Amino acid sequence: EAGVAQSPRYKIIEKRQSVAFWCNPISGHATLYWYQQILGQGPKLLIQFQNNGVVDDSQLPKDRFSAERLKGVDSTLKIQPAKLEDSAVYLCASSLSHQNTGELFFGEGSRLTVL
Amino acid sequence: QKEVEQNSGPLSVPEGAIASLNCTYSDRGSQSFFWYRQYSGKSPELIMSIYSNGDKEDGRFTAQLNKASQYVSLLIRDSQPSDSATYLCAVNTNRDDKIIFGKGTRLHILP
Repeated sequence: EAGVAQSPRYKIIEKRQSVAFWCNPISGHATLYWYQQILGQGPKLLIQFQNNGVVDDSQLPKDRFSAERLKGVDSTLKIQPAKLEDSAVYLCASSLSHQNTGELFFGEGSRLTVL
Repeated sequence: QKEVEQNSGPLSVPEGAIASLNCTYSDRGSQSFFWYRQYSGKSPELIMSIYSNGDKEDGRFTAQLNKASQYVSLLIRDSQPSDSATYLCAVNTNRDDKIIFGKGTRLHILP
């Protein structure tokens, strides 16, 4: 079974530039999450999708971050314009159903460096 | 008060000893609790889940839950150098099934 796919793995940009990350969850997984993990901290939930609807985006800085889940499968997270404090690993995770058992399957992450 | 709290460590434990990792949470209505392991530069992976008060054992790992005290712990018996990692406590807050992670505890197993 293929795991959660993310790209790009690494991205270096200057502040005020834009960046987009892509995630393809495990086939059949209805719930998709984007987490931000700053070095030395735990993952922070940015947005949670159930199929193609947003369940929670309370921690998403909506003035600069946006996310969508096309047709309830792939998802894209965009940052525009980027700030220095956005340097982090962006983790995509998926789970099987909305009755969440907490078993999240994570992708390898996209490491963003903002200069 | 942070929703999920852990001591960031590092916690150093001799090889073969028992490592004890602790976590407290603030949402009294939480029902599901998880321990994830994260190796340096890698993504988290689920190692234990627990849903009811008491102990749950899986191999060298034991998760303990005390809902009255809002406390969950992970014990690792016969610690191995390969157990050196950051251990993340995660809680399903039951509010839209959000999974909230603590900061993680760095564990070093000393050979």
